Amino acid sequence: QVQLVQSGAEVKKPGASVKVSCKASGYTFTNYYMHWVRQAPGQGLVWMGIINPSGGTTMFAQKFQGRVTVTRDTSTGTVYMELRSLRSEDTAVYYCARDLGECTGGICPYGMDVWGQGTTVTVSS
Amino acid sequence: QSALTQPAAVSGSPGQSITISCTGTSSDVGSFNLVSWYQQHPGKAPKLMIYEVTKRPSGVSNRFSGSKSGNTASLTISGLQAEDEGDYYCCSYAGSTTSVVFGGGTKLTVL
Repeated sequence: QVQLVQSGAEVKKPGASVKVSCKASGYTFTNYYMHWVRQAPGQGLVWMGIINPSGGTTMFAQKFQGRVTVTRDTSTGTVYMELRSLRSEDTAVYYCARDLGECTGGICPYGMDVWGQGTTVTVSS
Repeated sequence: QSALTQPAAVSGSPGQSITISCTGTSSDVGSFNLVSWYQQHPGKAPKLMIYEVTKRPSGVSNRFSGSKSGNTASLTISGLQAEDEGDYYCCSYAGSTTSVVFGGGTKLTVL
């Protein structure tokens, strides 16, 4: 079945970096764009960025530009999200989510139809 | 401040219908038919309920429907059931600079 499996929970100190993985299975990895979305405790969903797994091109929300990198490994069907210079406000659950649309020219989302289980990242001194 | 405005909470009794609004601008909701809606239960990942304004993914009940008028999109749930209780988020494409925006979320309570 189609699924996204994310890496486990992380605890980091302020100023450190975290890298979260998202392994896709059950579909052709390069055919669907992948989003990253985060949710702070008790708060709403915030879009972070997107990657085209085929060409590797990325686009990020202005809030995260310069601090986030998203990459992919087509041999394993895995997408990675790295967030640097962590601060307490980055404490959140991070989700990867597949877009069901073609996203031509990066115009997305049509709809995020498959989600990972979420990865809790805690930033604390 | 979320880019799309949703009511913080709505409620309804079993069997009733409710509508959740999602107000954006002419730069996002008003310009693109790329509005989607997500349901989230506590401790769970969001679930896609509506995409491209009005389309329903396979497996989602036909009690859920979406629409749009101008800069406001809406999610309507008819025949409310206890399992519909949860948080609902709208989402829209917002152009090449901002890209993607979510609403602040609406907590639905089934009385």
